[in-house]
Amino acid sequence: AQSVTQLDSQVTVFEEAPVELRCNYSSSVSVYLFWYVQYPNQGLQLLLKYLSGSTLVKGINGFEAEFNKSQTSFHLRKPSVHISDTAEYFCAVRGSYQLTFGKGTKLSVIP
Amino acid sequence: NAGVTQTPKFQVLKTGQSMTLQCAQDMNHEYMSWYRQDPGMGLRLIHYSVGAGITDQGEVPNGYNVSRSTTEDFPLRLLSAAPSQTSVYFCASSPFGSTDTQYFGPGTRLTVL
Repeated sequence: AQSVTQLDSQVTVFEEAPVELRCNYSSSVSVYLFWYVQYPNQGLQLLLKYLSGSTLVKGINGFEAEFNKSQTSFHLRKPSVHISDTAEYFCAVRGSYQLTFGKGTKLSVIP
Repeated sequence: NAGVTQTPKFQVLKTGQSMTLQCAQDMNHEYMSWYRQDPGMGLRLIHYSVGAGITDQGEVPNGYNVSRSTTEDFPLRLLSAAPSQTSVYFCASSPFGSTDTQYFGPGTRLTVL
């Protein structure tokens, strides 16, 4: 069975500041990890994914995440956020047929 | 290429009514799934399908039925709506395989009075 814990339900940062959204996972099968973003009143869109290989994964819109097997973490980072990054972010782990989501982190970027 | 489409976008039902949420994809994806999104709960899997004629239950299947007669369509049926089914429903699809990205539809916001 898989599970995902997003450690912060809400994060507020100033524009141009760095941000880290934290995600811990557990999985009994091969680990495939995803970060999705949901802008207000829209569906989910893939930011990045880790399947294998390099533990540092780069995604769209300047986001990156680092897979840490020993700490079972997959934290999402951006060195300088914009107002347009205001959204809800979901970490997910993929099992054999199912995608298990965390409860989400709402990121608010203020000027 | 429209991707994943869902209809309707909004729906209000009375307790006990039935309805079908439509989902279609034009990417020839084998895998399709339905999630519900509730505040503070993330997305929870209702049902999924790995191909035409094959469906299975997810985490929260009670009160919902699905069928998959074609690769393109995966409707979700509420048999007797309850206020607890008030939620936003998302359909998603992906090429078959556990490493594949899922593509999400825009969602259906359902209110049950």
